[in-house]
Amino acid sequence: GQQVQQSPASLVLQEGENAELQCNFSTSLNSMQWFYQRPGGSLVSLFYNPSGTKHSGRLTSTTVIKERRSSLHISSSQTTDSGTYLCALGYGSSGNKLIFGIGTLLSVKP
Amino acid sequence: DAAVTQKPRYLIKMKGQEAEMKCIPEKGHTAVFWYQQKQSKELKFLIYFQNQQPLDQIDMVKERFSAVCPSSSLCSLGIRTCEAEDSALYLCSSSQSRGYEQYFGPGTRLTVL
Repeated sequence: GQQVQQSPASLVLQEGENAELQCNFSTSLNSMQWFYQRPGGSLVSLFYNPSGTKHSGRLTSTTVIKERRSSLHISSSQTTDSGTYLCALGYGSSGNKLIFGIGTLLSVKP
Repeated sequence: DAAVTQKPRYLIKMKGQEAEMKCIPEKGHTAVFWYQQKQSKELKFLIYFQNQQPLDQIDMVKERFSAVCPSSSLCSLGIRTCEAEDSALYLCSSSQSRGYEQYFGPGTRLTVL
């Protein structure tokens, strides 16, 4: 089965609303990263967060290892937040290869 | 954004042709990864280099791809004989070492006709 599951698959918000994106994983991890994928495909690292809570501007990431989940909270959403958000689980003894979820497509309307 | 560079940005090949794409990892990074993303699919790990040595790769890469890091500042991923199913975005990432945050390049979008 899929080791990294993201929900929701898509989300539509009005500008100013908050968003909560979830990532659940079925295996132990070395690390967890959240990315924003630009329309052209390039990835912007938002958080490297193997455990605990991290903040960056309007973004908050929380990873709870024992519950095998991580979340990305976007507060006061803006139209420029629209796009695809990916979570990725880092695992493996020989490195830290990432297993990606399929992503959440966020659309923020003005 | 970290300064991981990939070239070319776009690559068009006919079925059966050879393809090559390059990645320049961020300076000082010793771990390099390649991932493949097909249309509307999740990114898939292909191969991992540590200090220029390949330490982990999937079977498809062993069978049909050629991947090397001839120096700490250059890696390449090649496909010996392109097939239509190889059409995808190929992303390279690097990190300080294993277990650290990965930074991605802009990708090479390969189209096989």
